Amino acid sequence: EVQLEQSGAEVKKPGESLKISCKGSGYTFTNYWIGWVRQMPAKGLEWMGIVYPGDSDTRYSPSFQGQVTISVDKSISTAYLQWSSLKASDTAVYYCARHGDSSGSFANWGQGTLVTVSS
Amino acid sequence: ETVMTQSPVTLSVSPGERATLSCRASQSVTSNLAWYQQKPGQAPRLLIYGASIRATGIPARFSGSGSGTEFTLTISSLQSEDFAVYYCQQYNNWPRTFGQGTKVEIK
Repeated sequence: EVQLEQSGAEVKKPGESLKISCKGSGYTFTNYWIGWVRQMPAKGLEWMGIVYPGDSDTRYSPSFQGQVTISVDKSISTAYLQWSSLKASDTAVYYCARHGDSSGSFANWGQGTLVTVSS
Repeated sequence: ETVMTQSPVTLSVSPGERATLSCRASQSVTSNLAWYQQKPGQAPRLLIYGASIRATGIPARFSGSGSGTEFTLTISSLQSEDFAVYYCQQYNNWPRTFGQGTKVEIK
């Protein structure tokens, strides 16, 4: 069974750094793109970016380019989303999700990580 | 960027009735269009990909159609568990983008 297990909720102050994780299991981690999706409170889904663990090819939405870094450690089947300096507007639930077998849609999702940034 | 516009924003439907949701792309996405369902406090769930292919385990009452720039998700007979928010997403052009969502509520 494909599973994506995300790290737990975080409470941070503005200006702090953060790295959240998404561990894949039940499939060959290096063969499927993994993406990150933001959902701000009571808002819709926003596609942030995606990484291919096989070769670390990474694509970002222009809205998030330079604001976050997506990376992967294939030795432990884990993808990451990180910030160097958080803002209050980064408060949101962040989902990781995996592409399907023959599609660029997100067939499998993590449970979400709530990031709260408040002074 | 390909802008995805969903309509209506909210759809009020009685259980057992048919629901029709629309999604329009600002440029062609061919058939690279997916639909997701999200319930409160849960992660989204893939319903449809390739514009019309049901994902694993998705009931037959969900169907998708369209290509190019106009797409439709139809729920043939709404069940209580179908009241949720539905999002379309294109994965033809970079960056991939979601629509703003349609909330299907009980009438």
